[in-house]
Amino acid sequence: EIVLTQSPATLSLSPGERATLSCRASQSVSSYLAWYQQKPGQAPRLLIYDASNRATGIPARFSGSGSGTDFTLTISSLEPEDFAVYYCQQRSNWPPTFGPGTKVDIK
Amino acid sequence: QVQLQESGPGLVKPSETLSLTCAVSGYSISSGYYWGWIRQPPGKGLEWIGSIYHSGSTYYNPSLKSRVTISVDTSKNQFSLKLSSVTAADTAVYYCARHVPPFDYWGQGTLVTVSS
Repeated sequence: EIVLTQSPATLSLSPGERATLSCRASQSVSSYLAWYQQKPGQAPRLLIYDASNRATGIPARFSGSGSGTDFTLTISSLEPEDFAVYYCQQRSNWPPTFGPGTKVDIK
Repeated sequence: QVQLQESGPGLVKPSETLSLTCAVSGYSISSGYYWGWIRQPPGKGLEWIGSIYHSGSTYYNPSLKSRVTISVDTSKNQFSLKLSSVTAADTAVYYCARHVPPFDYWGQGTLVTVSS
């Protein structure tokens, strides 16, 4: 199975700052990578699919890039509601797998 | 608006079978897509359990395949999960989701605790 690693494990930033989250795959997943946001006590929410496409209703401050094995989720200017855990997930091969997550917390 | 809602016992005894159902509204399962189950142990990450295609084809995580059964009831617009021979390691929040892929609509999740 394809293993996803995310870095950093925790990112401490202030509102208004730019957040850059990384996801690396153990083998190429082409562009078949998604990003999810999860807040405490809530289900994950799809943010980005196929590396760079924003899901319905997702604000433009969220953007995704990358292909192959290296991917980035960027939040251009953090809003208070953006402090959460972010997971990447590949759909290139079965089984679909998730990364361990990056927690974005308030500095 | 597509909505999913998990239901089932919140407490299961070790060695028994965990059974959950996901009721779907706002979309007919028979119209298409996969429908999946994902779990999250307390304080940990997400693990895909398995998915079923609207036609009934199933796909399971190899790590759980010997214990998992996913089925669909299109007449009730719901799908179900059975996980046999559970242990404490199966304690988790269980989510159902529409698996396009990716997983675009999720249920709120239900905590299942395995304990005697």
